Amino acid sequence: EDQVTQSPEALRLQEGESSSLNCSYTVSGLRGLFWYRQDPGKGPEFLFTLYSAGEEKEKERLKATLTKKESFLHITAPKPEDSATYLCAFKAAGNKLTFGGGTRVLVKP
Amino acid sequence: EAGVTQFPSHSVIEKGQTVTLRCDPISGHDNLYWYRRVMGKEIKFLLHFVKESKQDESGMPNNRFLAERTGGTYSTLKVQPAELEDSGVYFCASSQDRNYGYTFGSGTRLTVV
Repeated sequence: EDQVTQSPEALRLQEGESSSLNCSYTVSGLRGLFWYRQDPGKGPEFLFTLYSAGEEKEKERLKATLTKKESFLHITAPKPEDSATYLCAFKAAGNKLTFGGGTRVLVKP
Repeated sequence: EAGVTQFPSHSVIEKGQTVTLRCDPISGHDNLYWYRRVMGKEIKFLLHFVKESKQDESGMPNNRFLAERTGGTYSTLKVQPAELEDSGVYFCASSQDRNYGYTFGSGTRLTVV
């Protein structure tokens, strides 16, 4: 069965303390691995799409990477405004996204 | 560019009542999706419209849920009759092309008491 697991569930960081979030997936026929950011009371906000192993994308302090079994979201020198829940999701057959449970990130000043 | 708009933002109804959620996608986006998150669980797919046609409704939980998208613009999701387990946050998303990342609305928080 296709599935995606995110770890850790929660992450507390000091401002400037870099870290990585993990998204492990089992899917046949991956057609895209997506990262979203979600703030309380808001919908998921699109960050990146990765399509093939070895691909990397960056946006400000965030960098997403993809292997055949995992994706990582690296947060470099985070600031308090990076506090949010980060969601990964994949697209396989069809056009629907299958989401992981998310990682809640809290960056303390 | 206006984003995806959902209303109401919150709804509290009694078990057995009917509720209708509305989603206005980004103008020009043919693809419209409904997702929901129930307490403690992941966001789950409900269905996908391409214009006014249902492309995939494999995630609809049962026949108490009815989604429509007349004219290929806004969409409604009706729950009739509502049950306690229907409580959660219902998200709508739209995309111009199915290969792009979706833009999500802020969601409707539905509470069935």
